[in-house]
Amino acid sequence: DIQMTQSPASLSASLGETVTIECRASEDIYSNLAWYQQKPGNSPQLLIYDANSLADGVPSRFSGSGSGTQYSLKINSLQSEDVASYFCQQYNNYPNTFGAGTKLELK
Amino acid sequence: QVTLKESGPGMLQPSKTLSLTCSFSGFSLSTSGMVVSWIRQPSGKSLEWLAAIDWDGDKYYNPSLKSRLTVSKDTSNTQVFLKITSVDIADTATYYCARRRLGFDYWGQGVMVTVSS
Repeated sequence: DIQMTQSPASLSASLGETVTIECRASEDIYSNLAWYQQKPGNSPQLLIYDANSLADGVPSRFSGSGSGTQYSLKINSLQSEDVASYFCQQYNNYPNTFGAGTKLELK
Repeated sequence: QVTLKESGPGMLQPSKTLSLTCSFSGFSLSTSGMVVSWIRQPSGKSLEWLAAIDWDGDKYYNPSLKSRLTVSKDTSNTQVFLKITSVDIADTATYYCARRRLGFDYWGQGVMVTVSS
């Protein structure tokens, strides 16, 4: 199985700040990576697919980058509605695997 | 409009078989490249991918649970099913089904399943 190591586990940031969450795969996943946002009580929502493609309806302050085994999600100009947990996921191989998640809070 | 909705028993006893249904609309599972997966999430924890079935009827399982899982679909391609045998307390979680097209782009609302005696 491909292991996804996500960091940090938690993050506290101020409104308007830029935050970055990282994910490292245990082997090359050829950009077959997605990022999801999950708010309490809700299902995960797709933010980014194929490492850097913005999903429909997702604000442009979200962006993804990376290749090979290293990937990152960047949120520019943090808004209050961005408080949530974020998960990376690889879908290059079965079993598809998720990172442990990052809980983003407001400072 | 794409929608998915999970249904299940809510609560069941250890050692029983959990049967879950994912009913979906707005897309066809027979479309090339389409996949429906099952994912679960214990309260306060991360997501665990369980199984998937694709447009061609091919099935994929998480090796850590493979012996206990069976995924299937109906002939009309509007429902996907998941069975988990010999459940125990560790199977308590919210279970989601999701469509995979460009990433997992649509998810159901989830169904909470509690395993308790």
